[in-house]
Amino acid sequence: EVPLVESGGGLVQPGGSLRLSCVASGFTFSGRWMSWLRQAPGQGLEWVANIKTDGTEQYYVDSVKGRFTISRDNAKNTMYLQMDSLRVEDSAVYYCMRGALYDGDLWGQGTLVTVSS
Amino acid sequence: VVMTQSPLYLPVTLGQPASISCRSSQGLVNSHGDTHLTWYQQRPGQSPRRLIYQVSNRDSGVPDRFSGSGSGTDFTLKISRVEAEDVGIYYCMQGTRWPGTFGQGTKVEI
Repeated sequence: EVPLVESGGGLVQPGGSLRLSCVASGFTFSGRWMSWLRQAPGQGLEWVANIKTDGTEQYYVDSVKGRFTISRDNAKNTMYLQMDSLRVEDSAVYYCMRGALYDGDLWGQGTLVTVSS
Repeated sequence: VVMTQSPLYLPVTLGQPASISCRSSQGLVNSHGDTHLTWYQQRPGQSPRRLIYQVSNRDSGVPDRFSGSGSGTDFTLKISRVEAEDVGIYYCMQGTRWPGTFGQGTKVEI
């Protein structure tokens, strides 16, 4: 059983929307902060957002503020990333990660988002 | 916080040691006295894997040939004897201040 499985990526036009999901298993999802990070093709790693255990706090990198929304459903062991007003520069592999700044210890396999006309 | 790694490319010889440097633009000690400097390994075609957290703590299952050290703004990842499976890109990351930021990555090749 894979602990973190992302889905929802794909090809979208600039200005469009996508919703990514990350299903967790094998650990107490509700007890861990969770994060989204991304990696543009051939590039380095960039933090996108993270969310507190109960969903009451969220933090975003400046480049996605006002366009992306991170959320979670602890009953479904699932985290989401709603991405609106997508730009070409948002194209990347998006990873979910268990943990946040202090304790990010497990990454999913990633889902590819391509923003292109 | 800007994280700067060197070298960006590191050719290595099997069985020989290797070292990667990571420098932060600001000190990484937080108000609790903790330093959140993490090392990740990304093998070709794989997602990142955490190797070292809080400067020098090795994750479960990580071979003891990997070690982390440093303080303040200067940190180092060392591989005591490189093995073929160590090929990949290594990233340092600071988690002391939001947003967490990564170094550019160091590509290790045999």
